[in-house]
Amino acid sequence: DVKVTQSSRYLVKRTGEKVFLECVQDMDHENMFWYRQDPGLGLRLIYFSYDVKMKEKGDIPEGYSVSREKKERFSLILESASTNQTSMYLCASSSLLRTGEEDTQYFGPGTRLTVL
Amino acid sequence: LAKTTQPISMDSYEGQEVNITCSHNNIATNDYITWYQQFPSQGPRFIIQGYKTKVTNEVASLFIPADRKSSTLSLPRVSLSDTAVYYCLVGDPALNSGNTPLVFGKGTRLSVIA
Repeated sequence: DVKVTQSSRYLVKRTGEKVFLECVQDMDHENMFWYRQDPGLGLRLIYFSYDVKMKEKGDIPEGYSVSREKKERFSLILESASTNQTSMYLCASSSLLRTGEEDTQYFGPGTRLTVL
Repeated sequence: LAKTTQPISMDSYEGQEVNITCSHNNIATNDYITWYQQFPSQGPRFIIQGYKTKVTNEVASLFIPADRKSSTLSLPRVSLSDTAVYYCLVGDPALNSGNTPLVFGKGTRLSVIA
């Protein structure tokens, strides 16, 4: 079974703090993703990575950065947390597709971040 | 990037077949259609993916007409445990080709009533 784990289920931080959200997958997947989910807005892609040390901006990268130093780990960084970054953060991974394979993303349980 | 439109919510009684339609008028040649299911306090889970015509697995069926501008997720005989949010995604699975990966929208909240 694919397992995607996130460092915390719940996190409370103060405005201006630097926040690290860690994601680890154990299936040797090439692709990793960070989303945030807010009521009424669905899931929105923040950043993704298709290889170690590679990163691409998603739809809402402002205020975030990422790091992928190892294949299994993808970190989301909030350089200076703000109250509008209070949200549920979801990490996902997927494998590099070969012909005929389905593009399946496997999600972690999520981290509910509150910024006070 | 193909944009998707799906109903915000749907209600159904247990035992009924539920069909959720998604519109994607700007779908590109290399795009696939993928559906995910999300229960409260969990990450989304893959249900089914297709390119054209009909795809069926143990969970659902996916119907895609010839013009591919829409698709319909069909859930046979739903139960209370099928209450969830269902997302329709359209995109090119070749992530590292430089194309933007699959993008989630707001989803359809399905409520199954006893």
